[in-house]
This record gives sequence, structure tokens and C-alpha cells, in this order.
Amino acid sequence: DTGVSQDPRHKITKRGQNVTFRCDPISEHNRLYWYRQTLGQGPEFLTYFQNEAQLEKSRLLSDRFSAERPKGSFSTLEIQRTEQGDSAMYLCASSSVLAGVKDTQYFGPGTRLTVL
Amino acid sequence: GDSVTQMEGPVTLSEEAFLTINCTYTATGYPSLFWYVQYPGEGLQLLLKATKADDKGSNKGFEATYRKETTSFHLEKGSVQVSDSAVYFCALGTGGGNKLTFGTGTQLKVEL
Repeated sequence: DTGVSQDPRHKITKRGQNVTFRCDPISEHNRLYWYRQTLGQGPEFLTYFQNEAQLEKSRLLSDRFSAERPKGSFSTLEIQRTEQGDSAMYLCASSSVLAGVKDTQYFGPGTRLTVL
Repeated sequence: GDSVTQMEGPVTLSEEAFLTINCTYTATGYPSLFWYVQYPGEGLQLLLKATKADDKGSNKGFEATYRKETTSFHLEKGSVQVSDSAVYFCALGTGGGNKLTFGTGTQLKVEL
């Protein structure tokens, strides 16, 4: 396994701009998660997919945020009309669920977003 | 709702000292419990886990026991090394999606 990868690693944008992040999970992992981590805090759950279906969204995920996983492989997270409060590290994780057994979530290196 | 409380840092220890980082949780149902570690400049890595009461997770000399009666999952290591310096996160996994709820993290600094 090559691990979970995320792109870009860093993004600086101006308030009001749209940004999109990509996550490539470990191959054959059918679950993919997005978390957000602000400085000095633990990661907070945003949403997760099983294959291409988005099964749960946190109330943290305002309507400016949208996530997709169109073919059940990579995922994108888009933030529209960014605000300074969106500045954070966005983490992706993937795991495998087989026969109802939940596997460990493996995290990517994250995308650090700075909104000026 | 689900929550995790862990001791605040930073925790500063001398090499070969004994480490305990306390973690308690509140959850409905029967969560899985995890310790993740974040080394400087790196991503989150799973350190150890336990999926049911009285299970002990262990890895790299670290241990933690799932205590349902005290809703705790304290992390211990008998002899820390400088290379253990990192931020440690306690987390619980709940629900059909096994989404993780993290504590705020505890920074550990180990000095010679």
C-alpha cells in the first residue's frame, strides 16, 4: 500500500474564493473520511463515504462545503466562498469494512488551508 | 454526545521515565478506543487500539487497557525515549460508520 495521499499539501487563498482538495485512499479501501483539525485541537469529523455513497455529514459541514466520491475511489472536498474561519488542516482517512468488521482508519498527511 | 477528555500538555519527561497520559470518554453504546500519534511534521498514525472492554492494546512499548467501568483508556509506557516526543491523541469510534471523536491531544517532550 502506498498510503493515503492528499493534494495539495498547502493552499493559500483569499477570502471569498473557492478551493478544492483531493484525497486518494489506500487502494481497495471502501470507506473514506474527511476531518478538520484546527491548531491545538484534535481532528473533528466532517463526513464519510462508503464506496460512492455519502452516508453521514457533520453539522460542521455547512452548505458551503461539498464532498464527492464519484467512482468510489478518490474524493474531493470543495469549499465555496471561503472564510477566515475555514483556515485549518483538512485530513482524509480511509478504511476497509469487510463482512461488517470495521478496520482501522489510516490518515493522509493533510491539506493545510490558509484563508487571508 | 460522544466526547473524549485527555490530560493537557505539554508533558515533559526525562529519557527512561515512566509515562502515563490519561484519557476518559463519554459515549453511547460500545465504542472502539484508539491512541493516535502525530510526530513533528508528519500525519496521524495509529499507535494502538482496543475494541471491547478489558482489551489491552499495545505497540512500540506503549500500552492501554479499555476500562468500561471507569470509561478510561490511559496510555502508558515504562521507559520513554527522545524519539517518543510527539502529540498523542485519544479517540473513540462509534456508529455504523465508526467515525472518530478525538481528544484535544497531549504534547509529550522527552529530554536527555
